[in-house]
Amino acid sequence: GAGVSQSPSNKVTEKGKDVELRCDPISGHTALYWYRQSLGQGLEFLIYFQGNSAPDKSGLPSDRFSAERTGGSVSTLTIQRTQQEDSAVYLCASSLVGANVLTFGAGSRLTVL
Amino acid sequence: AQSVTQPDIHITVSEGASLELRCNYSYGATPYLFWYVQSPGQGLQLLLKYFSGDTLVQGIKGFEAEFKRSQSSFNLRKPSVHWSDAAEYFCAVGEEGGGADGLTFGKGTHLIIQP
Repeated sequence: GAGVSQSPSNKVTEKGKDVELRCDPISGHTALYWYRQSLGQGLEFLIYFQGNSAPDKSGLPSDRFSAERTGGSVSTLTIQRTQQEDSAVYLCASSLVGANVLTFGAGSRLTVL
Repeated sequence: AQSVTQPDIHITVSEGASLELRCNYSYGATPYLFWYVQSPGQGLQLLLKYFSGDTLVQGIKGFEAEFKRSQSSFNLRKPSVHWSDAAEYFCAVGEEGGGADGLTFGKGTHLIIQP
């Protein structure tokens, strides 16, 4: 696609429910990143995928968070048993391999009641 | 570990006035530096980047930034702001080749434009 596409744009869920957030990167971009942006905070790195390599999960805040990337393209970030502190905007970005310029999607705003 | 500091959480300027947003970084090698802008409800858009060469870089929307190694700074400037420049601005540092952590971002500066 022309840009990075994320869905849903907004998600309201109840505490304890599971949520899935989807990211469709730019075609040909082999690197994919997930960041979390909380109110008044910068961007917190969550996870990185590069091609078919094992992802770098060093930024995931707890074992309730997981992500996968199917076929080297679309990625899904899953948050299990959501907590109120998970409320944030989740941003996905992609880039060409070895490049530093990240192209971001518009984000998925998650609200946990 | 690399880090980015944006000392100003909020800045208010009048439309037509000049702007400077501060960014200081900590990085062990030659950094790759970026400024991104985020409008409400939008993702981040790249304004400009510095990889090497001329320390004064030009970006989109009339923005420029100057890399000063001695001060570990990469301040963003614009000679005359427009109301449409009101947004959140993020400075970021990265390593050559991309790297697993992508970019390290500052906490952002919220720019308010007064009429």
